Amino acid sequence: GQNIDQPTEMTATEGAIVQINCTYQTSGFNGLFWYQQHAGEAPTFLSYNVLDGLEEKGRFSSFLSRSKGYSYLLLKELQMKDSASYLCAAPDSNYQLIWGAGTKLIIKP
Amino acid sequence: EAGVAQSPRYKIIEKRQSVAFWCNPISGHATLYWYQQILGQGPKLLIQFQNNGVVDDSQLPKDRFSAERLKGVDSTLKIQPAKLEDSAVYLCASSLDQFRAEQFFGPGTRLTVL
Repeated sequence: GQNIDQPTEMTATEGAIVQINCTYQTSGFNGLFWYQQHAGEAPTFLSYNVLDGLEEKGRFSSFLSRSKGYSYLLLKELQMKDSASYLCAAPDSNYQLIWGAGTKLIIKP
Repeated sequence: EAGVAQSPRYKIIEKRQSVAFWCNPISGHATLYWYQQILGQGPKLLIQFQNNGVVDDSQLPKDRFSAERLKGVDSTLKIQPAKLEDSAVYLCASSLDQFRAEQFFGPGTRLTVL
Protein backbone atom coordinates (compact mmCIF):
# COMPACT_ATOMS: atom_id res chain seq x y z
CA GLY A 1 0.00 0.00 0.00
CA GLN A 2 0.92 3.65 -0.19
CA ASN A 3 1.61 5.48 3.01
CA ILE A 4 3.30 8.55 4.45
CA ASP A 5 4.22 8.65 8.14
CA GLN A 6 5.34 11.65 10.14
CA PRO A 7 5.09 12.62 13.82
CA THR A 8 1.88 14.29 14.90
CA GLU A 9 3.38 17.07 16.94
CA MET A 10 6.78 18.47 17.93
CA THR A 11 7.83 21.27 20.25
CA ALA A 12 11.00 23.33 19.95
CA THR A 13 12.48 26.52 21.35
CA GLU A 14 12.94 29.78 19.50
CA GLY A 15 16.46 29.98 18.05
CA ALA A 16 16.99 26.23 18.16
CA ILE A 17 17.09 23.57 15.41
CA VAL A 18 14.39 20.98 14.78
CA GLN A 19 14.26 17.96 12.46
CA ILE A 20 10.91 16.66 11.22
CA ASN A 21 11.08 13.12 9.86
CA CYS A 22 8.97 11.48 7.18
CA THR A 23 8.89 7.91 5.93
CA TYR A 24 7.08 7.00 2.77
CA GLN A 25 5.88 4.05 0.72
CA THR A 26 4.59 4.85 -2.75
CA SER A 27 4.07 3.03 -6.04
CA GLY A 28 7.02 4.30 -8.02
CA PHE A 29 9.10 7.26 -6.95
CA ASN A 30 8.66 10.74 -8.35
CA GLY A 31 10.25 12.86 -5.67
CA LEU A 32 9.21 14.10 -2.25
CA PHE A 33 7.66 17.40 -1.26
CA TRP A 34 7.50 19.40 1.93
CA TYR A 35 4.77 21.97 2.41
CA GLN A 36 4.18 24.41 5.24
CA GLN A 37 0.66 25.14 6.43
CA HIS A 38 -0.13 27.84 8.96
CA ALA A 39 -3.35 27.42 10.89
CA GLY A 40 -6.33 28.40 8.79
CA GLU A 41 -4.27 28.84 5.65
CA ALA A 42 -3.47 26.80 2.55
CA PRO A 43 -0.31 24.72 2.20
CA THR A 44 2.66 26.50 0.63
CA PHE A 45 5.57 24.80 -1.11
CA LEU A 46 8.84 24.49 0.78
CA SER A 47 10.99 21.95 -1.03
CA TYR A 48 11.13 19.15 -3.56
CA ASN A 49 13.77 16.38 -3.46
CA VAL A 50 14.22 13.86 -6.22
CA LEU A 51 17.87 12.89 -5.63
CA ASP A 52 19.48 11.57 -2.46
CA GLY A 53 21.14 14.08 -0.21
CA LEU A 54 20.61 17.38 1.50
CA GLU A 55 19.26 20.48 -0.20
CA GLU A 56 19.62 23.73 1.65
CA LYS A 57 17.42 26.76 1.19
CA GLY A 58 18.10 29.45 3.72
CA ARG A 59 17.06 28.35 7.21
CA PHE A 60 15.28 25.30 5.81
CA SER A 61 16.96 22.15 4.47
CA SER A 62 15.45 18.93 3.21
CA PHE A 63 17.11 15.53 3.07
CA LEU A 64 16.16 12.44 1.08
CA SER A 65 17.26 8.79 1.16
CA ARG A 66 15.46 6.86 -1.56
CA SER A 67 16.88 3.51 -0.46
CA LYS A 68 15.44 4.00 3.04
CA GLY A 69 12.19 5.67 1.99
CA TYR A 70 13.06 8.49 4.35
CA SER A 71 13.17 12.24 4.34
CA TYR A 72 13.55 15.00 6.88
CA LEU A 73 13.00 18.71 7.01
CA LEU A 74 15.54 20.64 9.06
CA LEU A 75 14.63 24.06 10.38
CA LYS A 76 17.41 26.21 11.84
CA GLU A 77 17.31 29.40 13.92
CA LEU A 78 13.67 28.81 14.69
CA GLN A 79 11.39 31.82 14.76
CA MET A 80 7.92 32.10 16.26
CA LYS A 81 6.48 32.44 12.76
CA ASP A 82 7.70 28.90 12.01
CA SER A 83 4.88 27.58 14.19
CA ALA A 84 2.82 25.68 11.63
CA SER A 85 2.08 22.22 10.34
CA TYR A 86 4.62 20.66 8.02
CA LEU A 87 3.25 18.24 5.45
CA CYS A 88 5.27 15.57 3.70
CA ALA A 89 3.89 14.44 0.32
CA ALA A 90 5.06 12.09 -2.40
CA PRO A 91 3.66 11.62 -5.92
CA ASP A 92 2.54 8.10 -6.77
CA SER A 93 3.02 6.46 -10.15
CA ASN A 94 0.17 8.62 -11.53
CA TYR A 95 1.83 11.77 -10.15
CA GLN A 96 -0.96 12.25 -7.62
CA LEU A 97 0.31 13.44 -4.28
CA ILE A 98 0.03 11.07 -1.34
CA TRP A 99 -0.07 13.27 1.76
CA GLY A 100 1.04 12.70 5.32
CA ALA A 101 -1.19 13.95 8.11
CA GLY A 102 1.25 16.72 8.91
CA THR A 103 3.48 17.51 11.87
CA LYS A 104 2.31 20.37 14.05
CA LEU A 105 5.38 22.32 15.16
CA ILE A 106 5.01 24.42 18.29
CA ILE A 107 7.70 27.02 18.93
CA LYS A 108 8.17 28.24 22.49
CA PRO A 109 9.99 31.45 23.42
CA GLU B 1 1.34 36.28 -11.22
CA ALA B 2 -2.06 35.87 -9.59
CA GLY B 3 -2.49 32.83 -7.38
CA VAL B 4 -5.33 30.36 -7.12
CA ALA B 5 -8.56 32.12 -6.20
CA GLN B 6 -11.38 30.52 -4.23
CA SER B 7 -14.70 31.71 -2.93
CA PRO B 8 -16.34 31.89 -0.56
CA ARG B 9 -13.74 31.77 2.22
CA TYR B 10 -16.24 30.66 4.84
CA LYS B 11 -19.64 29.04 4.66
CA ILE B 12 -22.02 27.87 7.36
CA ILE B 13 -25.02 25.78 6.37
CA GLU B 14 -27.41 23.36 7.98
CA LYS B 15 -27.36 19.67 7.18
CA ARG B 16 -29.30 18.66 4.10
CA GLN B 17 -28.73 22.07 2.50
CA SER B 18 -26.64 22.47 -0.63
CA VAL B 19 -23.48 24.50 -1.13
CA ALA B 20 -21.15 25.36 -4.00
CA PHE B 21 -17.53 26.41 -4.06
CA TRP B 22 -15.72 28.17 -6.86
CA CYS B 23 -12.07 28.01 -7.92
CA ASN B 24 -10.04 29.91 -10.50
CA PRO B 25 -6.60 28.33 -11.01
CA ILE B 26 -3.36 30.00 -11.99
CA SER B 27 -3.50 31.08 -15.62
CA GLY B 28 -2.08 28.40 -17.90
CA HIS B 29 -2.34 25.58 -15.36
CA ALA B 30 -3.97 22.62 -17.05
CA THR B 31 -4.46 20.49 -13.95
CA LEU B 32 -6.89 21.38 -11.18
CA TYR B 33 -7.45 19.53 -7.91
CA TRP B 34 -10.11 19.68 -5.25
CA TYR B 35 -9.10 18.47 -1.80
CA GLN B 36 -10.97 18.02 1.45
CA GLN B 37 -8.93 18.67 4.57
CA ILE B 38 -10.31 17.74 7.96
CA LEU B 39 -8.65 19.38 10.97
CA GLY B 40 -5.45 17.59 11.92
CA GLN B 41 -5.25 15.58 8.73
CA GLY B 42 -3.51 15.92 5.41
CA PRO B 43 -5.47 16.90 2.30
CA LYS B 44 -7.61 14.17 0.73
CA LEU B 45 -7.97 14.33 -3.04
CA LEU B 46 -11.60 14.49 -4.14
CA ILE B 47 -11.20 15.05 -7.86
CA GLN B 48 -8.50 15.89 -10.38
CA PHE B 49 -9.13 17.58 -13.74
CA GLN B 50 -6.80 17.78 -16.71
CA ASN B 51 -8.18 20.69 -18.75
CA ASN B 52 -11.93 19.94 -18.73
CA GLY B 53 -11.62 16.16 -18.37
CA VAL B 54 -11.70 14.16 -15.15
CA VAL B 55 -8.46 12.27 -14.41
CA ASP B 56 -9.49 10.80 -11.06
CA ASP B 57 -12.66 11.06 -9.01
CA SER B 58 -12.34 7.77 -7.17
CA GLN B 59 -12.62 9.39 -3.73
CA LEU B 60 -15.47 11.74 -4.58
CA PRO B 61 -18.72 10.72 -2.80
CA LYS B 62 -20.72 10.89 -5.97
CA ASP B 63 -24.08 10.47 -4.28
CA ARG B 64 -23.73 13.99 -2.86
CA PHE B 65 -20.67 15.66 -4.37
CA SER B 66 -20.28 16.87 -7.94
CA ALA B 67 -17.66 18.96 -9.70
CA GLU B 68 -17.20 20.44 -13.11
CA ARG B 69 -14.65 22.38 -15.10
CA LEU B 70 -16.59 23.10 -18.24
CA LYS B 71 -14.21 25.38 -20.14
CA GLY B 72 -11.00 23.98 -18.71
CA VAL B 73 -10.40 26.99 -16.48
CA ASP B 74 -12.74 27.73 -13.54
CA SER B 75 -14.21 24.91 -11.53
CA THR B 76 -17.09 24.48 -9.14
CA LEU B 77 -17.56 21.84 -6.44
CA LYS B 78 -21.06 21.20 -5.13
CA ILE B 79 -22.38 19.30 -2.15
CA GLN B 80 -26.05 18.35 -2.12
CA PRO B 81 -27.28 17.48 0.45
CA ALA B 82 -24.61 18.30 3.04
CA LYS B 83 -23.93 16.10 6.06
CA LEU B 84 -22.32 16.98 9.37
CA GLU B 85 -19.20 15.06 8.42
CA ASP B 86 -18.66 17.34 5.40
CA SER B 87 -17.42 20.06 7.77
CA ALA B 88 -13.88 20.65 6.55
CA VAL B 89 -11.71 22.98 4.54
CA TYR B 90 -12.06 22.55 0.79
CA LEU B 91 -8.84 23.36 -0.98
CA CYS B 92 -8.41 23.98 -4.67
CA ALA B 93 -4.95 23.56 -6.19
CA SER B 94 -3.50 23.76 -9.67
CA SER B 95 -0.36 22.65 -11.44
CA LEU B 96 1.07 23.20 -14.91
CA ASP B 97 0.10 19.70 -15.90
CA GLN B 98 -0.49 16.37 -14.20
CA PHE B 99 3.19 15.41 -14.46
CA ARG B 100 4.49 18.54 -12.73
CA ALA B 101 3.56 17.50 -9.27
CA GLU B 102 4.23 20.87 -7.58
CA GLN B 103 0.82 22.18 -6.71
CA PHE B 104 -0.21 25.72 -5.86
CA PHE B 105 -3.07 26.09 -3.41
CA GLY B 106 -5.85 28.58 -3.02
CA PRO B 107 -6.81 29.94 0.42
CA GLY B 108 -9.53 27.32 0.87
CA THR B 109 -13.17 27.43 1.88
CA ARG B 110 -13.97 26.52 5.47
CA LEU B 111 -17.33 24.76 5.52
CA THR B 112 -19.27 24.26 8.74
CA VAL B 113 -22.35 22.05 8.59
CA LEU B 114 -24.67 22.43 11.59
